[in-house]
Amino acid sequence: DAGVTQSPTHLIKTRGQQVTLRCSPKSGHDTVSWYQQALGQGPQFIFQYYEEEERQRGNFPDRFSGHQFPNYSSELNVNALLLGDSALYLCASSLLGRGTEPQHFGDGTRLSIL
Amino acid sequence: GESVGLHLPTLSVQEGDNSIINCAYSNSASDYFIWYKQESGKGPQFIIDIRSNMDKRQGQRVTVLLNKTVKHLSLQIAATQPGDSAVYFCAENNPGSSNTGKLIFGQGTTLQVKP
Repeated sequence: DAGVTQSPTHLIKTRGQQVTLRCSPKSGHDTVSWYQQALGQGPQFIFQYYEEEERQRGNFPDRFSGHQFPNYSSELNVNALLLGDSALYLCASSLLGRGTEPQHFGDGTRLSIL
Repeated sequence: GESVGLHLPTLSVQEGDNSIINCAYSNSASDYFIWYKQESGKGPQFIIDIRSNMDKRQGQRVTVLLNKTVKHLSLQIAATQPGDSAVYFCAENNPGSSNTGKLIFGQGTTLQVKP
């Protein structure tokens, strides 16, 4: 049973560029959430996708956008990269409406902005 | 406002001892709490969860206690092992959502296990 997988594992970009990160949810899950984790901090919620639509959003600017595909996989796009966007980006999946199942995380994409 | 905080940034324990990691939350309407373990270079790994209608829940070597009166959550690890060394996060589900909703994380506590 494959868990949550993310790609790439590491990425280096420069300021002003754009980046796309990818996530495949755990088998059987239909909901994908994205988090940003700065060094030494807890993860911060970016947004969540269900049925190919953004269901909830955290306090992140419009430079952060996403997409969910019919197979439940998801992408996170960040435009006009800033130095402060350097972080570990985590994807978590779950099954909407399941009262007893928590979110399961992938190992993240480490994004470094030069 | 939104905040889930941890009392201590680092906890050092002797192998074989019991560990207790504490967490305070601010929203009395929160109804679901989760503990995650994060090892270096890895994503958060689910340990145990608890709903607000419970005071205690036990897993394998771990126990979570919830005190709603003082808005406090704790994770107890029995017979701590070197493999338990990691950063531990408590997380709170956004009140009013299902358990698949937005999670609010604390800063994390680093657990160091001395051999």
